[in-house]
Parts: sequence; C-alpha cells; structure tokens
Amino acid sequence: KQEVTQIPAALSVPEGENLVLNCSFTDSAIYNLQWFRQDPGKGLTSLLLIQSSQREQTSGRLNASLDKSSGRSTLYIAASQPGDSATYLCAPPYQGGSEKLVFGKGTKLTVNP
Amino acid sequence: GAVVSQHPSRVICKSGTSVKIECRSLDFQATTMFWYRQFPKKSLMLMATSNEGSKATYEQGVEKDKFLINHASLTLSTLTVTSAHPEDSSFYICSARRANNEQFFGPGTRLTVL
Repeated sequence: KQEVTQIPAALSVPEGENLVLNCSFTDSAIYNLQWFRQDPGKGLTSLLLIQSSQREQTSGRLNASLDKSSGRSTLYIAASQPGDSATYLCAPPYQGGSEKLVFGKGTKLTVNP
Repeated sequence: GAVVSQHPSRVICKSGTSVKIECRSLDFQATTMFWYRQFPKKSLMLMATSNEGSKATYEQGVEKDKFLINHASLTLSTLTVTSAHPEDSSFYICSARRANNEQFFGPGTRLTVL
C-alpha cells in the first residue's frame, strides 16, 4: 500500500526566499507523480505532473524532481511570494500506473510579506 | 490547466434528504472521474472511481447505496448522497483524469447536514 510522507508539515518564510518541499513515498514502482496546491476551503490546483522517465519538470518558479529509486520527490519554489501561501500536496499513484492517487497530509506554507 | 467545475459549491440540507453534486470537465473529455471527501485538516480520502458508461468502483468502507455515482457522459459525473445525516457533512471534491494521466480537481462542495 502506497504511503506518502511530506516534510515539513508546516513552513513559514519571509517573502523572496527559495524553498524546498519534500515528499517521500513507499512504493517506488510508479509511472508518474503529481504536485498540487490547495488553498483553504478550496479544491486542488494541479502544479506539475512529472513522469517516471523525467527527473525534473519546471513551470515558472516551480521545479519538481523525482527520484524513483529512493522514493522521493521535491518541489522547489523560487523567490517565494505571499500568493504562494497554501498547502502543497504530492500525489503518487496508488501503485504503478494506477489512476488512483494517494495523498499525504501536505506541507502548509506561509510566505510573509 | 484544464478546468473542472462542481455544483453546488455549498449546500445545507435537513437530515434524511438527498443531495446531488455535479462534476463537469469543461474543456476535455474524461473517461474517468474520481470522488473524494475531506475532513477538516485531514488528507483527501478517495471514495470512488467513476467510469463513463459503467458502474463506479468504490473504495473499501464506502457505502455504494449511500453514495450513488453516475457518469452519464464524458464530461459529467454526479454524486448523490442519499438520506444524508450529520456525519455525512464534509467537503466533497471531484477530479477528472486527462489522457496523459494528469488529474484536475473541481473547487469542491461543502455539505452541511442539519
């Protein structure tokens, strides 16, 4: 059974900092992994989908890396802004190429002006 | 990114009534949609996988007669909470899977059962 751990659980930083959010998962036989953000009381916004054949995926100030062998993914946020404040969730598949996603508890990020 | 809508965004109902929530993928066709519920400060919990034209697949512990799912078209799935009770109060979120396996989520529906 896939289990997801995200560290840290919460993070508070001043505006402008570069930061790294960590995600580890137990079943490394995955085809892809997706990162989301969730604002309070809202649904999830897809940030990046990284395929197992890729080591990195970039979108604007966001960069996600995937190391299947170690069961880890990281989300790098450059030059953080107050609007980045949200809970960030990584979601690998339940197993292999399963269409079902498994979510951790996320990292709650607060970027202070 | 792709757009998924949910309706209603918020509903308050009396105990014993049924509530229908719609999930639509607005700019792509989704053969597979998913329904989740989320309790305050908790992870998303997958309830069921909804496949167009076939019966939904429910996760262990989710009552299929309680949570009726219909995926009538490639852009619409509905979740009906039947005979709702206060313990069904929760945040319900749907997602739709695109052909590249990327999932897009709706904005969620806050259900409060009095």
